[in-house]
Amino acid sequence: DQQVKQNSPSLSVQEGRISILNCDYTNSMFDYFLWYKKYPAEGPTFLISISSIKDKNEDGRFTVFLNKSAKHLSLHIVPSQPGDSAVYFCAASVYNTDKLIFGTGTRLQVFP
Amino acid sequence: DGGITQSPKYLFRKEGQNVTLSCEQNLNHDAMYWYRQDPGQGLRLIYYSQIVNDFQKGDIAEGYSVSREKKESFPLTVTSAQKNPTAFYLCASSSQRTGGYGYTFGSGTRLTVV
Repeated sequence: DQQVKQNSPSLSVQEGRISILNCDYTNSMFDYFLWYKKYPAEGPTFLISISSIKDKNEDGRFTVFLNKSAKHLSLHIVPSQPGDSAVYFCAASVYNTDKLIFGTGTRLQVFP
Repeated sequence: DGGITQSPKYLFRKEGQNVTLSCEQNLNHDAMYWYRQDPGQGLRLIYYSQIVNDFQKGDIAEGYSVSREKKESFPLTVTSAQKNPTAFYLCASSSQRTGGYGYTFGSGTRLTVV
């Protein structure tokens, strides 16, 4: 049972435009949601997170939106740059634990 | 510099052999994790340990074993019982109650069965 889902395996965006990566979850017992970025043959690196009591968190070009009623979060990258090309994983932190549940990832390609 | 070191980066194993993947951290984190990444399947949890001398099975523990004799080290052994061991293996660590900070990951080990 996949509790965190990324339904789009890939996304292609032109440089300078907005990239929107989506993630859905089925469990309400998550206290934080996180986004990780992963290059090939490297470990994922933490990008941005949002508390379940917030609906938006912004850090430079990256903004995460949380819609609790729809159990949906999204990562917006504006403007997109070629260096943003990577696989993006969303993850959910189980309340009051140190356990993270990861989605299956979305491969973002930013072309010139 | 604090971080997690995984070694080796690439590992080749003959069928029927056991191999051990190394994971060392100097972040003073209590918890450590092993994940496996396969194409299209994201990150799947193999084993995790929240304290020295204690560990728990994750979602896909069959065919794997771990030990946690030191806080800094969490080696993973891929045994001959693992039917499909070819994958990219990631080790991670965290302090308790990760909250919005998540895990710190190593750079991974790619294991190939030949």
